[in-house]
Amino acid sequence: DGGITQSPKYLFRKEGQNVTLSCEQNLNHDAMYWYRQDPGQGLRLIYYSQIVNDFQKGDIAEGYSVSREKKESFPLTVTSAQKNPTAFYLCASSIDRAVNEQFFGPGTRLTVL
Amino acid sequence: QKEVEQNSGPLSVPEGAIASLNCTYSDRGSQSFFWYRQYSGKSPELIMSIYSNGDKEDGRFTAQLNKASQYVSLLIRDSQPSDSATYLCAVNYGNNRLAFGKGNQVVVIP
Repeated sequence: DGGITQSPKYLFRKEGQNVTLSCEQNLNHDAMYWYRQDPGQGLRLIYYSQIVNDFQKGDIAEGYSVSREKKESFPLTVTSAQKNPTAFYLCASSIDRAVNEQFFGPGTRLTVL
Repeated sequence: QKEVEQNSGPLSVPEGAIASLNCTYSDRGSQSFFWYRQYSGKSPELIMSIYSNGDKEDGRFTAQLNKASQYVSLLIRDSQPSDSATYLCAVNYGNNRLAFGKGNQVVVIP
């Protein structure tokens, strides 16, 4: 089945630790995105990548880092510099930059203890 | 930052009725508009895309776009309990970046 997978589904982190969230897609999509969602809030863009080995900051990139070494994979690292990391993290992809429809993975719920 | 407003509070509709959701956006240059459905605890699911002024129908869903007035709406006909969810409006504002509204919760009462 084609789709987007995210792991883990739930993640608990101690303050001061870096954690990496996985996002993989087998849809052959060029573009990938990371959003965070907080209760009662809209989705906010963290980082996006329109092509392998290239990515851009979104609206709330501080405290996060990404890499795009393979077309299929776009991992997100939440660093200790992120002041309020507890949130629902969503990865999405679209065919390419010219096609606007974005499709989401199941999400990772991160809780900082 | 581009703004997408969904100002209505939770919407309760009887089963079989029409649910109507509205969304306004700030970027006059936006060309692509989307509605996502999100069940509690789940990720958003794309249900409608609309690019031209007017109506677009897909099953029980109709999206309406008015670029001059900068609003997009979603109608759900013959509402079912399975339609109970939060509906997110999203607007493309260039470089394939989407701005999302905060969502409208719909509750269908059997």
